[in-house]
Amino acid sequence: EVQLVESGGGLVQPGGSLGLSCAASGFTVSSNHMSWVRQAPGKGLEWVSVIYSGGDTYYADSVKGRFTFSRDNSKNTLYLQMNSLRAEDTAVYYCARETSLSVDTAMAYYFDYWGQGTLVTVSS
Amino acid sequence: SSELTQDPALSVALGQTVRITCQGDNLRGYYANWYQQKPGQAPVLVIYGKNKRPSGIPDRFSGSSSAGSSSGNTASLTITGAQAEDEADYYCNSRDSNGKHYVFGAGTKVTVL
Repeated sequence: EVQLVESGGGLVQPGGSLGLSCAASGFTVSSNHMSWVRQAPGKGLEWVSVIYSGGDTYYADSVKGRFTFSRDNSKNTLYLQMNSLRAEDTAVYYCARETSLSVDTAMAYYFDYWGQGTLVTVSS
Repeated sequence: SSELTQDPALSVALGQTVRITCQGDNLRGYYANWYQQKPGQAPVLVIYGKNKRPSGIPDRFSGSSSAGSSSGNTASLTITGAQAEDEADYYCNSRDSNGKHYVFGAGTKVTVL
């Protein structure tokens, strides 16, 4: 059974740092593209970052230069290191697995499994 | 970066049909996916690809898309015979036009009357 379990959320002051973890089971993270998606209180979903199976990482403009996405293949775990945190980074952070499918002449890239989320609150 | 546009809110009478649309230029090249999210819960994938449902998603959920066609940039999620448990927020998403990032619509709140 595929499972994603996030941890590490909490209260941090503006300008501070926090590290999130996402432990995966039932599949191998290094064989999949994995993303972090966040949701501010009362707001919609916002994609944050992706780590491709090959190891390349990409970031939303809102977090580029401040967040770092990494993984430990031996632990089958993902990490999101968040630095220089701002109030607007307050959100529930979800990790999600991506799967792709070719249909006719176009591609579908979808998040088929999500963790339960971990809350990050940036406040003084 | 690309944007995906959704209606903020829709309502549907119990047992009736509701159609949720998602519009964006990147939908010409990528299929939209649809997620259901209930309060306090993680999103759940309900439709992906052209019109595919993950295991466990009722067949009252269906999707359509103009991906692969130069003529359209719209995708839709239809709930046929809406049930009370379908009341939720629905989000569309796809890859961004640069192919490296991802984008979500702002979400549609569906109320079942």
